[in-house]
Amino acid sequence: EPEVTQTPSHQVTQMGQEVILRCVPISNHLYFYWYRQILGQKVEFLVSFYNNEISEKSEIFDDQFSVERPDGSNFTLKIRSTKLEDSAMYFCASSALGPNTGELFFGEGSRLTVL
Amino acid sequence: KNEVEQSPQNLTAQEGEFITINCSYSVGISALHWLQQHPGGGIVSLFMLSSGKKKHGRLIATINIQEKHSSLHITASHPRDSAVYICAVQGSGSRLTFGEGTQLTVNP
Repeated sequence: EPEVTQTPSHQVTQMGQEVILRCVPISNHLYFYWYRQILGQKVEFLVSFYNNEISEKSEIFDDQFSVERPDGSNFTLKIRSTKLEDSAMYFCASSALGPNTGELFFGEGSRLTVL
Repeated sequence: KNEVEQSPQNLTAQEGEFITINCSYSVGISALHWLQQHPGGGIVSLFMLSSGKKKHGRLIATINIQEKHSSLHITASHPRDSAVYICAVQGSGSRLTFGEGTQLTVNP
């Protein structure tokens, strides 16, 4: 069964360092998303991406965050200068059809720990 | 007030019991999702609903748009159903707004 894969599964970094989280969505999917979950809290939307551009972003997704689909298969989330409060589980998701019509497929998550 | 409220927060059941998890929301939506989060953290989509009822195996999801309420039912519960069940709603845009989740534990 096709799946969304994320790497790394866990990354530990120092505050101020740049981090790139990688996702390989399901191959025929067109819509891509990043969500995050701070430990003990609910999942929060970060950004959606379609047709090589951001469709929607949340208040969390400030100038420190960026997304890219560099090669037609990977979908990356970059945090330029990490803060302690960026420590969370980051989930990538993809869907074949657009919002409201397509089932979402989530990756297993990348746990980011900022020290 | 949260846009998405789930109840109960925690639920313990005996194997074989019928389980209901409720979700109420306060905003207009275009779709509602039920998700399952495993102990390791991974999230699996169970249902996406915009009206009526859907069934998949022992799982049933219903939604009442007028009352802004959805329920997830599990029949003949099993210990492997133990997980966090999350309700998430989708408005006019692409973002999902998540509930806090319901921690379900099914004892043998």
